[in-house]
Amino acid sequence: DQQVKQNSPSLSVQEGRISILNCDYTNSMFDYFLWYKKYPAEGPTFLISISSIKDKNEDGRFTVFLNKSAKHLSLHIVPSQPGDSAVYFCAASEWAGNNRKLIWGLGTSLAVNP
Amino acid sequence: NAGVTQTPKFRILKIGQSMTLQCAQDMNHNYMYWYRQDPGMGLKLIYYSVGAGITDKGEVPNGYNVSRSTTEDFPLRLELAAPSQTSVYFCASSYSSRGEQPQHFGDGTRLSIL
Repeated sequence: DQQVKQNSPSLSVQEGRISILNCDYTNSMFDYFLWYKKYPAEGPTFLISISSIKDKNEDGRFTVFLNKSAKHLSLHIVPSQPGDSAVYFCAASEWAGNNRKLIWGLGTSLAVNP
Repeated sequence: NAGVTQTPKFRILKIGQSMTLQCAQDMNHNYMYWYRQDPGMGLKLIYYSVGAGITDKGEVPNGYNVSRSTTEDFPLRLELAAPSQTSVYFCASSYSSRGEQPQHFGDGTRLSIL
């Protein structure tokens, strides 16, 4: 049973427009959420995170919104650039024993068309 | 900055063979992790370490072993390779276990068991 769901396997947007990537979760014990970007043949790279006590975090072109009551978060990229084309993973963090555990979604492949 | 370095990048093994996937980080991070990513899936934690000499199991530890004799190195050992272990393996490290602390990933080892 997936605790972190990214229901859109792929997304295509035009350069300069907004990209919105969505993520849903089921476990109310998650206290941090992180977004990672992954290019082919490379490891994931951290993008942005948000604490469960906040509803928005912004870093340059990237903004993450958290709706805790709906157990939903979204990553907005504005404006989208061709270099943003990658797979985006949503990950949720909780304490498990003596360490934190990251639960990963399956990813959304974003294509930004020139 | 090298960050997290994984070797080899690719390997083909025969069923029943053994091998060690190497991981080294130069960021003086205490926390290190091994993940596997199967096609179309999210990352699954195999083993993790909170410091030299301390390791613990993740979600999918069966068929693997790890050791952590130094802060820098965290090798993953496959004993008696099986086709189900065909996957891409990622090593990661982090400065702390704080929820917002990102994990830094290597570029992965693509392993095929035939």
